[in-house]
Amino acid sequence: EAGVAQSPRYKIIEKRQSVAFWCNPISGHATLYWYQQILGQGPKLLIQFQNNGVVDDSQLPKDRFSAERLKGVDSTLKIQPAKLEDSAVYLCASSSGLLGVATNEKLFFGSGTQLSVL
Amino acid sequence: QKEVEQNSGPLSVPEGAIASLNCTYSDRVSQSFFWYRQYSGKSPELIMSIYSNGDKEDGRFTAQLNKASQYVSLLIRDSQPSDSATYLCAVTAFSGNTPLVFGKGTRLSVIA
Repeated sequence: EAGVAQSPRYKIIEKRQSVAFWCNPISGHATLYWYQQILGQGPKLLIQFQNNGVVDDSQLPKDRFSAERLKGVDSTLKIQPAKLEDSAVYLCASSSGLLGVATNEKLFFGSGTQLSVL
Repeated sequence: QKEVEQNSGPLSVPEGAIASLNCTYSDRVSQSFFWYRQYSGKSPELIMSIYSNGDKEDGRFTAQLNKASQYVSLLIRDSQPSDSATYLCAVTAFSGNTPLVFGKGTRLSVIA
């Protein structure tokens, strides 16, 4: 079974530029998450989709970050304009259903996109 | 503000010893608990999940949960150098719409 696919693997941009990340979840997984992991910290949820609807985006800086999941499969996360503090690894994850609803739900992560903002 | 607290470490143990990793959480409605292992430069990988008070064993790993004390731990028996990684504790409520909240992780170093 293929895992969560993300691209690009690395991205270096200058502040105030824009950047986009792409994620393809595990086939059949209805729930997709974007996490931001700053060096030395745990992942922080940015946005959670259930199919193509947003479940939680309370921690997404909406003035500069946007995300979409058209057709309930692939997702893109965009930052415009980028700031120095956006330097982090952006992790996409998926699960077959909503975590906490069933005790067998698990979260699977992609390899992440490491963003450096100069 | 839901919080998950972990000692950042590093925790150093000799090869073959038991490594004990601890985690406390602030949200009393939390019901699902997970331990992820993250090697440097890699993404988190699920190693254990626990939902009921008590112990759950899987190979060399044992997760322990005490909801009254809001405490979850991970024991690694017969620690190996390959266990050297950051261990992330993650918690969610049993509601379906509550995101998984991660701690900052504990860095474990197993010395050969």
